Amino acid sequence: GAGVSQTPSNKVTEKGKYVELRCDPISGHTALYWYRQSLGQGPEFLIYFQGTGAADDSGLPNDRFFAVRPEGSVSTLKIQRTERGDSAVYLCASSLTPSGGPDTQYFGPGTRLTVL
Amino acid sequence: GNSVTQMEGPVTLSEEAFLTINCTYTATGYPSLFWYVQYPGEGLQLLLKATKADDKGSNKGFEATYRKETTSFHLEKGSVQVSDSAVYFCALPPRGGSNYKLTFGKGTLLTVNP
Repeated sequence: GAGVSQTPSNKVTEKGKYVELRCDPISGHTALYWYRQSLGQGPEFLIYFQGTGAADDSGLPNDRFFAVRPEGSVSTLKIQRTERGDSAVYLCASSLTPSGGPDTQYFGPGTRLTVL
Repeated sequence: GNSVTQMEGPVTLSEEAFLTINCTYTATGYPSLFWYVQYPGEGLQLLLKATKADDKGSNKGFEATYRKETTSFHLEKGSVQVSDSAVYFCALPPRGGSNYKLTFGKGTLLTVNP
């Protein structure tokens, strides 16, 4: 079956612009997670959705970052007024089990965001 | 809070060489420990895990033993292959639960040459 997919695979934008990153989880997975992986670093947790609601958004760095999952499937990570420091690979993961342990999360290939 | 310190890379080996990637942790209690692998162009994958002290996780010829005496979870493989070339991450959950929210090391890039 299909895994987690993320689009676009690469996104180049200019400082100050708005971007949207999309995640399609595995069908039937109720939990969805976003992580950010900066160059030379491990992934850092951003937000976790259970169904349509954000169960934990403690990792979002500031109010320029926002994520939605209106129908409990596809999720969009939105970044306003992008800054050069936002450049990173944004990873999405999904899991079947609500708040499942990390060994239940399936990761997508990521979206590489470059802010010029 | 809980944290991991991972051996910095890159690591370059010849095929069939022995691999060790060091990982030490700081944690309250004895949380589960994980190794993840990221192959070029692919998503992060769980490689192996250990859920308690003295456990040994293993998968695809890789092994790691949860050693509380040395607070370590080193990744080893006896004979690496070109296909093992990837970035490897050590990880653990944060203090206080929230098991879905992992803390990762910085990653170690492994290149295996034929």
